[in-house]
Parts: sequence; C-alpha cells; structure tokens
Amino acid sequence: NAGVMQNPRHLVRRRGQEARLRCSPMKGHSHVYWYRQLPEEGLKFMVYLQKENIIDESGMPKERFSAEFPKEGPSILRIQQVVRGDSAAYFCASSPRSLVLGTEAFFGQGTRLTVV
Amino acid sequence: QQPVQSPQAVILREGEDAVINCSSSKALYSVHWYRQKHGEAPVFLMILLKGGEQKGHEKISASFNEKKQQSSLYLTASQLSYSGTYFCGTVGNEKLTFGTGTRLTIIP
Repeated sequence: NAGVMQNPRHLVRRRGQEARLRCSPMKGHSHVYWYRQLPEEGLKFMVYLQKENIIDESGMPKERFSAEFPKEGPSILRIQQVVRGDSAAYFCASSPRSLVLGTEAFFGQGTRLTVV
Repeated sequence: QQPVQSPQAVILREGEDAVINCSSSKALYSVHWYRQKHGEAPVFLMILLKGGEQKGHEKISASFNEKKQQSSLYLTASQLSYSGTYFCGTVGNEKLTFGTGTRLTIIP
C-alpha cells in the first residue's frame, strides 16, 4: 500500500506564473489536508477536503490559492500568479475517515516550491 | 487556535531526559505527536485519544489530560537520532492544528 504521494517534489516558478501541486492520498482515504511550512516555521493548516467537497478552507489565503479533490484523480493545490512569499514546503496528508473519530493523518514527502 | 508548546528549544546530552508540553485553549478529541527533521516530512510518533491516556513508543511516551486540554511528550535516555523538531497536533474539530514546535538538539 503506497503512502501519500506528492509531486513534484521540487518546483521552481518565476514570479507571476502558476504552480500546481498534486497529492494522491493513500488507497481508501477520502480525506485530504494541505499544510504550508515556511522556512524555519511550523506547519500551518490551509484546507481540508473530502471527495469533491471543500470542508474547511479557513487557512487558505483569500486570493490566488485554490484547492480541489475531484471524484477521480489527485487533489490539486493551485497557486496563481506566484510571489516570492509563496516559497515554502507544501505538505499533504490523508486519512481514511474524519480525524474526530481518532485516526492518524498520513503525510506525504511534500513539495518544495521556490519562486524566483 | 494554535496549541502552544514549551519549551521552544532544548539541548540535551545523549542519555538525558526531556519533557515537551502542549497546551490548547479548546476542547480536544485527540492529540497527535510528530517529529520532523530538517528538510524532511513530519513523522508520526503517536496519537492519544482519551483523557489520562498514556502511550509509549520505544523510549518515547506521552500523556493526555483531557480536562486540562494538555499533553506531554516524554523522551527518556535520549539518543542522537531523537534530534529534530517536535510538533503536537490537536484535533478540536475535523482538522489537525499543529503547535508552535519544540526544537530538540542532542549532543554526544
């Protein structure tokens, strides 16, 4: 059973370009979470999705950022018109059911985004 | 709201013990503990589900006081491999909110 797969592992974008980060959850997992980690800082919650639904996007910046988790395929975190401050590690996690039911969240290896 | 961890950083000699604390202002369903090494993904250590529950993982154990909304991570006879940043994650609603982190350095 493969773990949470994120790609690409490293992504370099010029200012103003778009960045697309992909996350394939573990098999059988329908809950996906995205986190951002700035250099030397902690993990900040961005968004929680279930298949085709955004459950909690309280940590998402109001502009330029969007996320989806379609019925088929990976979850996508999309950043439009990237700026230098978007440079960070973006981690995805998945779980088989809601975390309030006492399950672990499994993390991917992350995508390191560098904006030049 | 982000849980608060203490201390922010600690330096130990190999073989010494440490305690890392995590405190939340909200009622919690569970507490998760992770360790992250520089440039790597967080690695799951353990999850605590009930008030007063204590779990162990090799020489690393933890407790969870549900009433006080606090958890503590205990590292005994520390090894060099324990170095890294430790994060608690709390589940108060349906998401995992991470604490401020505790940087642990083990020196020979």
